[in-house]
Amino acid sequence: AQSVSQHNHHVILSEAASLELGCNYSYGGTVNLFWYVQYPGQHLQLLLKYFSGDPLVKGIKGFEAEFIKSKFSFNLRKPSVQWSDTAEYFCAVNADNFGNEKLTFGTGTRLTIIP
Amino acid sequence: KAGVTQTPRYLIKTRGQQVTLSCSPISGHRSVSWYQQTPGQGLQFLFEYFSETQRNKGNFPGRFSGRQFSNSRSEMNVSTLELGDSALYLCASSLPPGVRTTEAFFGQGTRLTVV
Repeated sequence: AQSVSQHNHHVILSEAASLELGCNYSYGGTVNLFWYVQYPGQHLQLLLKYFSGDPLVKGIKGFEAEFIKSKFSFNLRKPSVQWSDTAEYFCAVNADNFGNEKLTFGTGTRLTIIP
Repeated sequence: KAGVTQTPRYLIKTRGQQVTLSCSPISGHRSVSWYQQTPGQGLQFLFEYFSETQRNKGNFPGRFSGRQFSNSRSEMNVSTLELGDSALYLCASSLPPGVRTTEAFFGQGTRLTVV
C-alpha cells in the first residue's frame, strides 16, 4: 500500500519569501503524483501533477514541483509567495495501475503568509 | 462546465441515525470517488465507483456504503452514526478508464456533524 508524508504541518512565511514544502511517498511501483490546494472555504483544487516525462513540472499560480525518483520525493516550490497563497496544501499519490483512481493523501501543510 | 456538486452542504445528525449524501459528477465523468476529511486523520479514501460498480474500497467499516446510478451520480450512506463520523465528506469525479492517469475534480463537500 502506498503512503505519503508531509513533514511540515504549519509553515509561516512573509510575502516574497521562497517556499518549499516537502512530500515523500512510499510505494514500490510506478506512481502519479499530485499537489492539491484548499483555500479557506473552498474546494480542493489541483495545483500540478506528474505522470511521466520531465521531472520538473509547472503548475498554476507560479508553483512548481520536482519529482526525484531516487528520493521518493515530490517537493512543491514557489520562488516568491503572496498573501493569497495562504491555504492548506496536500500532496497525493496514485499507483499507476490502469483504471485506478484512488488517491492517497498526505496530512497536509497549512501555509500562512504574513503581509 | 458545471463542477462536482454535493448535496447537502451541511448536515446535523444524532448518534445512531443514518445519513445519505449525494454527489453529481462533472458531465462526462464516469468515475466517482469519496473521501473523508478530518483534522486528525486528514483525507482518507472511502471508495470509488465506475459504471455502477465499486472498483476500490478504503479501510472503513461496513457502516459506510455507496452506490452509483446509471447517470454516474453517486450516493454514500453511513448507518448507525457515531460521533467520530463527524467530518467533511468529499466527492471527486474523473474521466473513465482508457484515459490514462486522469485528474480528480473535487466538490465542496458535505459537512456532517454527529451529536
